[in-house]
Amino acid sequence: DIQMTQSPSSLSASVGDRVTITCRASQNISSYLNWYQQKPGKAPKFLIYAASSLQSAVPSRFSGSGSGADFTLTISGLQPEDFATYYCQQTYSTPTFGGGTKVEIK
Amino acid sequence: QVQLQESGPGLVKPSQTLSLTCTVSGGSISSGNYYWSWIRQHPGKGLEWIGYIYYSGSTYYNPSLKSRVTISVDTSKNQFSLKLTSVTAADTAVYYCASRTVAHYWYFDLWGRGTLVTVSS
Repeated sequence: DIQMTQSPSSLSASVGDRVTITCRASQNISSYLNWYQQKPGKAPKFLIYAASSLQSAVPSRFSGSGSGADFTLTISGLQPEDFATYYCQQTYSTPTFGGGTKVEIK
Repeated sequence: QVQLQESGPGLVKPSQTLSLTCTVSGGSISSGNYYWSWIRQHPGKGLEWIGYIYYSGSTYYNPSLKSRVTISVDTSKNQFSLKLTSVTAADTAVYYCASRTVAHYWYFDLWGRGTLVTVSS
């Protein structure tokens, strides 16, 4: 299995901050990388596919980048509704998820 | 708007079989636009893909669970189901059904609300 490692596991930020979350794959996965957002007690919500393509209706403050084994999710101008846990997921082979990054209010 | 809803027992005894059904509404499970998936999340933990099925019946399972998992589809009822045998406490989790797109760069598009299954005697 391809292991996905996210860092940090949690972070504290304020509304308006720029937040960057990193996801590293245990091998080259090209651009087969998705990002999801999950709020407490809710199902994950799909945000980004192919490392950098935004799902329609996802605010443009979200962006994804990277290829190969290193990827980032950036939120430019954190909003109150963005406090959640974010997961990366690879689809290069048997799908696996990262351990999650919890974005908390500072 | 396609929606998914999980149903099934919330409590299963150890060594028994966990059975869940996902009902798809607002669209046809036979549309060919999705693979129909099961994903679980252990309490306070990350996400684990269990497997998915195409409307034709083709199945794909997580190798770590393959020996215990069966996913089936009932196109007449617009439902797909999960069976997980020989459960232990380690199978306690929230189980989600989800739709997986069929595109080259695919993703889990729509998710059910999830159902908590506890394995306990």
